[in-house]
Amino acid sequence: GDSVTQMEGPVTLSEEAFLTINCTYTATGYPSLFWYVQYPGEGLQLLLKATKADDKGSNKGFEATYRKETTSFHLEKGSVQVSDSAVYFCALSVSGGADGLTFGKGTHLIIQP
Amino acid sequence: EAGVTQFPSHSVIEKGQTVTLRCDPISGHDNLYWYRRVMGKEIKFLLHFVKESKQDESGMPNNRFLAERTGGTYSTLKVQPAELEDSGVYFCASSPQGAKRGGYTFGSGTRLTVV
Repeated sequence: GDSVTQMEGPVTLSEEAFLTINCTYTATGYPSLFWYVQYPGEGLQLLLKATKADDKGSNKGFEATYRKETTSFHLEKGSVQVSDSAVYFCALSVSGGADGLTFGKGTHLIIQP
Repeated sequence: EAGVTQFPSHSVIEKGQTVTLRCDPISGHDNLYWYRRVMGKEIKFLLHFVKESKQDESGMPNNRFLAERTGGTYSTLKVQPAELEDSGVYFCASSPQGAKRGGYTFGSGTRLTVV
């Protein structure tokens, strides 16, 4: 079946550090890939997505590139801020339309000032 | 536009009791999803409504879970009787008809603790 594996946290970094959160996947079809973020006390929010190989999703300084050859979608940010502290979830969807997502376990990111 | 609303935000119940979670999707969204995150594990898909019909309920763990969506508006998820392993955060999401992949809006979740 489909699955997503992401590095488990917590990941603790200092402000302005470089961030990488690894995500790899297995899928029965051709998936779309997503990163969701959950800030404290809030719901899951779509951070970025990519729908085909070599696409780069970006938002709020975060980037992730769809790498089909390595089945990866690693999340990166050049300089993190305290406000980036949250739980980040990598996810995929192989069905068309509005079908369900397959999530990773989530990575808790803590940014210290 | 109001977002997806879930309540209660927290619920603590004893094993064997019944709990009902509610989700109010964004008005006009035909698609409604339930997901669950058990502590330390992945967020798992439970089921998908299109309007009032269950499109896919393959993720429902067992027959102690019952989901309904009356009139295609709000949805309830009832757990009866609750077991310890049902503890976790239950998320609801909605999307309009024809939404692109990932075009969901999630609620902030209901944290269920069974003691």
